[in-house]
This record gives sequence, structure tokens and C-alpha cells, in this order.
Amino acid sequence: DAMVIQNPRYQVTQFGKPVTLSCSQTLNHNVMYWYQQKSSQAPKLLFHYYDKDFNNEADTPDNFQSRRPNTSFCFLDIRSPGLGDAAMYLCATAMRTSGMGNEQFFGPGTRLTVL
Amino acid sequence: AQSVTQPDIHITVSEGASLELRCNYSYGATPYLFWYVQSPGQGLQLLLKYFSGDTLVQGIKGFEAEFKRSQSSFNLRKPSVHWSDAAEYFCAVAKGGKLIFGQGTELSVKP
Repeated sequence: DAMVIQNPRYQVTQFGKPVTLSCSQTLNHNVMYWYQQKSSQAPKLLFHYYDKDFNNEADTPDNFQSRRPNTSFCFLDIRSPGLGDAAMYLCATAMRTSGMGNEQFFGPGTRLTVL
Repeated sequence: AQSVTQPDIHITVSEGASLELRCNYSYGATPYLFWYVQSPGQGLQLLLKYFSGDTLVQGIKGFEAEFKRSQSSFNLRKPSVHWSDAAEYFCAVAKGGKLIFGQGTELSVKP
């Protein structure tokens, strides 16, 4: 089945220790998104890639970076995690075509704990 | 600015009862609207979407939603709730390749 896969599902890191979260997709979608979701809140968009074009949200901290080496994979790098970065991180994909709304397909998420 | 409002933060219904979750949007053009469901510790699953055409849309798991342009609403309904429907529900509108989410409504189901 075509899907969005996130690894790992649970990640524990130490304060200030860099961490990388992974997302892969078999849908061949041209857009990949990263969201941060804290408890009882809606997902908050951090950035997205439209093909190779990176689009950062204005309020995304510099501490968060992303890489998309090919169509299938996208990574979220947190350079120096703080306690406030503990959250669920969701990856989503979409096929952006002219005139269509943006139905996004979500992965199961990675729960990040910062000690 | 475009926005999505879900007025109810938390709703409790009895199993077998009907359900309606409210969603209001603020958007100038014809909106693309979605309802997603999120079980604890999981990602978001698409329940249904509205792009155009028939204003009553059917989704998965027995859910439906009705688009009412005059009321700027896209309410989600289910005639008979099951215990497994307990989850967080998000309404969203698409704009510029992004989704604008409402705050979410947490649904509890009592036996």
C-alpha cells in the first residue's frame, strides 16, 4: 500500500543534542510537509518542500532545518533541542496540481522527548 | 485573514447517539475543506473532503459533512456513534498549498 512512513516512532534525546527525524513516502507526491504538534493543539506547519524548493514558515525557529535529498525522503533536523521542542512531529505529503485543493496524507508521527 | 473555527473544544456523546461537530471558516474564494481524525498518538487520517459539486459529502467510517456557503460552515455528522470514534477531529481549509486547521474538537464516547 502507498503510504507515508516516519522513523522512528519514538525518539528520546538530550537537551542540546542534535536529532534527525525521517519521513519517506511511496506516493510519489511532489510536496512534503513537516508539522509540530503539541498536546491538545492543532498541527503547526514548520516548512514544506515543493519538489526541491524549500519553503520555511516565518515563525519557524532557526533551530529547525530540513533536507529533501530525493522525492521519496525528507528529514527534519533539530540542531539543539530544548525542552520546549518536545512534541509530536508529523510528516505529510501532497500532490500539488493546478486548480486543486491540497489533500494531505499524514504519517503516523514521531513522538520526541527531550530530557 | 483566512481562519477555521471549531467552537467546541470537547464533546461527549453516548454510544449510538448522533453526532455533529461544528466548523466555520473564513475564506474569500470557494474553499477546499477537509475533516481529519486523529487517534491518540497517531497521525491524521482524512475522513472526507469538499472541493465542489454536491454540498453533502460522504466519507469513511460512516461520516458525512455538509457545506453551507451561506453560513460559512462545514459541519461533520454521524448518525450513530461507536466507541471507536473517540478521537480528536480537525477541520481544515486549503490555501496556497497549505492547510489551515481549526483548533480541534475532542470527542469522548460514553457507554
